[in-house]
Amino acid sequence: EVQLVESGGGLVQPGGSLRLSCAASGFNFRIYWMSWVRQVPGKGLEWVANINQDASEKFHVDSVKGRFTISRDNAKNSLYLQMNSLRGEDTAVYYCAKQEGGWYSTWGQGTLVTVSS
Amino acid sequence: SYELTQPLSVSVALGQTARITCGGNNIGSRNVHWYQQKPGQAPVVVIYRDNNRPSGSPERFSGSNSGNTATLTISRAQAGDEADYYCQVWDSNILFGGGTKLTVL
Repeated sequence: EVQLVESGGGLVQPGGSLRLSCAASGFNFRIYWMSWVRQVPGKGLEWVANINQDASEKFHVDSVKGRFTISRDNAKNSLYLQMNSLRGEDTAVYYCAKQEGGWYSTWGQGTLVTVSS
Repeated sequence: SYELTQPLSVSVALGQTARITCGGNNIGSRNVHWYQQKPGQAPVVVIYRDNNRPSGSPERFSGSNSGNTATLTISRAQAGDEADYYCQVWDSNILFGGGTKLTVL
């Protein structure tokens, strides 16, 4: 069974840092692009970042550039999102998602990040 | 920057056909994907590349894309189809529409 399981969310103060992880199983992780997508509670979906198979290409939405970094470890079948200088507007559920070309075939259950003092 | 426009809400009578639109400049030249999201759950793809159904997506779901509008069509709507629906394209980056809440009356 194809599965993505996120972890690492929680409550953090403004200006703080968190590292999200996504454990992949049931498929050949190393041959897929992977993404992070977030959703403010009650709002729509927003793409945050994606990364190609060997991590030679990484893209981030403008609002997180310079603060968030996507990475992966193919040996561990894991995707990461390092989030620094967190702001209130980063509060959201963060989903890990497997890309099949330009669309998402599999999503994790999400992990909630709350930025608040 | 490219934008995708969806109606905030669509209502459909039980057993009738619902159509959810996604507007964008010359969207017909792009591949459009559709996701269903029920409360408290992660999104699930229901249509990819305009009109392809992944395994597990009911035959009642279909898609079309031409000109400036892509459309998700749900035939014989069921109560279980009530959800938020999002369109998505890959422009320079990945872009989602604002989402449409489907209500089955």
